Amino acid sequence: GQSLEQPSEVTAVEGAIVQINCTYQTSGFYGLSWYQQHDGGAPTFLSYNALDGLEETGRFSSFLSRSDSYGYLLLQELQMKDSASYFCAVRDRDQGGKLIFGQGTELSVKP
Amino acid sequence: DAGITQSPRYKITETGRQVTLMCHQTWSHSYMFWYRQDLGHGLRLIYYSAAADITDKGEVPDGYVVSRSKTENFPLTLESATRSQTSVYFCASSRLPGLAGEGRTDTQYFGPGTRLTVL
Repeated sequence: GQSLEQPSEVTAVEGAIVQINCTYQTSGFYGLSWYQQHDGGAPTFLSYNALDGLEETGRFSSFLSRSDSYGYLLLQELQMKDSASYFCAVRDRDQGGKLIFGQGTELSVKP
Repeated sequence: DAGITQSPRYKITETGRQVTLMCHQTWSHSYMFWYRQDLGHGLRLIYYSAAADITDKGEVPDGYVVSRSKTENFPLTLESATRSQTSVYFCASSRLPGLAGEGRTDTQYFGPGTRLTVL
């Protein structure tokens, strides 16, 4: 099977940088995705890493290291609107089109 | 409207009743998914479908039934609702995995959710 672990909560101040880690156990997978979910809303796609290294999209970056079974989401210049839950997800190679989600990290951005 | 929609957005029902949650997408995505989200459990996959007339169980399928007679629709039925099925239900769709497209082969697009309460 597969499992993903990420911290349940992270708190940071406006303007700061925060890193949300995700470690996973899976026999083989296609890539690591990140989704954002605001309270009461639908999850929305943020970032995807198919290969090792850093992917940058504006203030958000995502990193993957397959050898370490580890990835992270980096949020820079934090804004109040970044307060949300962030989920990492993998698609196991043996699980067809299914994405397996982590439990989510609730980010609170304080003034 | 273009995109992925769910109906109803809110539903209150009683234990033992049958309830059907609807999901409709306009992108002709091959894959569709049903998740439930409860506090402390993140997103848990109930059922998914790779194409019309092809469905498969996810992590928590018991008590649920799905069908996919048309590519764009993927209804979820609770045959006899129980209080433990009180949850927020999200439908999602994605392109066929393996097609590069914009390079984000795993991207799933979620509907707005249905908040179901079983009394």
